[in-house]
Amino acid sequence: DTAVSQTPKYLVTQMGNDKSIKCEQNLGHDTMYWYKQDSKKFLKIMFSYNNKELIINETVPNRFSPKSPDKAHLNLHINSLELGDSAVYFCASSQRGAAGGYTFGSGTRLTVV
Amino acid sequence: GQQVMQIPQYQHVQEGEDFTTYCNSSTTLSNIQWYKQRPGGHPVFLIQLVKSGEVKKQKRLTFQFGEAKKNSSLHITATQTTDVGTYFCAGQETSGSRLTFGEGTQLTVNP
Repeated sequence: DTAVSQTPKYLVTQMGNDKSIKCEQNLGHDTMYWYKQDSKKFLKIMFSYNNKELIINETVPNRFSPKSPDKAHLNLHINSLELGDSAVYFCASSQRGAAGGYTFGSGTRLTVV
Repeated sequence: GQQVMQIPQYQHVQEGEDFTTYCNSSTTLSNIQWYKQRPGGHPVFLIQLVKSGEVKKQKRLTFQFGEAKKNSSLHITATQTTDVGTYFCAGQETSGSRLTFGEGTQLTVNP
């Protein structure tokens, strides 16, 4: 009964490969996000979708492509992985306009070698 | 663009000592939120403050929102080893707008 679940938890891959991270929320929230957390713990917003519509698209290389098939799912596909992509990626969800903050998934630790 | 600054970046305390982290926004906020991330874990929502000058308490944690709605603080009384983690503030300029996180304060508690 996990609220925001993302898979895989760990991902080790070689430079140049393409990989995907999946995220699903069962909270009925209308907005989902992808955050990148670097080694210094800084949380940087990458993308946000509201009811399947892209509403935030930060300055992220176009090798990163989000996809939201429905409002309960937001996946992240990364092409041509680079060493600098190594980080922890968090999916989160919220209900726009409601109190209660964001609910984060447990994170995907991506290591590019 | 909106910036949220948080100090200190690191804080080491002895168990039983108090701890405070401060958050400042470059713009007036609609609300500020606080999150805690345990080592190896994910950010967990603690609280949201919306009113000017608001003070809220959760057991040993006291959260304040400044009168001008541009700054906030989190104070922990008599820290315990279970308080270890990174504390983030995050602000929104309007309800439902982008949530901008501070850099976080990493708290270490020595037993």
